[in-house]
Amino acid sequence: EAQVTQNPRYLITVTGKKLTVTCSQNMNHEYMSWYRQDPGLGLRQIYYSMNVEVTDKGDVPEGYKVSRKEKRNFPLILESPSPNQTSLYFCASSLSRQGGVGEQFFGPGTRLTVL
Amino acid sequence: RKEVEQDPGPFNVPEGATVAFNCTYSNSASQSFFWYRQDCRKEPKLLMSVYSSGNEDGRFTAQLNRASQYISLLIRDSKLSDSATYLCVVKGGSSASKIIFGSGTRLSIRP
Repeated sequence: EAQVTQNPRYLITVTGKKLTVTCSQNMNHEYMSWYRQDPGLGLRQIYYSMNVEVTDKGDVPEGYKVSRKEKRNFPLILESPSPNQTSLYFCASSLSRQGGVGEQFFGPGTRLTVL
Repeated sequence: RKEVEQDPGPFNVPEGATVAFNCTYSNSASQSFFWYRQDCRKEPKLLMSVYSSGNEDGRFTAQLNRASQYISLLIRDSKLSDSATYLCVVKGGSSASKIIFGSGTRLSIRP
């Protein structure tokens, strides 16, 4: 089954404790992206990757890191989480064509709480 | 000013009604436009792309007005299952990979 998976789905942690949220897709998509969703603000793009070893900042990259060592995986790293990073996080992937990115397929989301 | 703006709603309409949402965007160089649907606590899913000439998919019609920089979604004969949040998505502009989501319009269909 074609899908995007995220782990963990729920995480409660404390300020400053490094964490990684994994994202994996089995559709051989070039493009992958991370978003956070907060009430009233919608989805905001954190980082995206056009292909292996190619990553770019989105609108809200501060406090986050990503890597794209393999095509299928795009982990999101919070080196020192803070309470303002409490949010619902979505990973997405898409084919990348001339003219841009196509339909995005989203993972089920990771609800993160930083105390 | 937000790059993509939507009326947050909520829109509460009776089953069978026709409902329309608008979404405005600020970057005139934007290239691609989409409507996504998000059910409560679930991931967004593509509802339909929006083409320059307008397009229809069953009860759903999407239109693009480049001159006024807005896109619209029309839902005819609404069903209870149409209750969801509808997200406007704009891509391109300074970067073909830049993707901006609107904050969503919440729709509730009542029996």
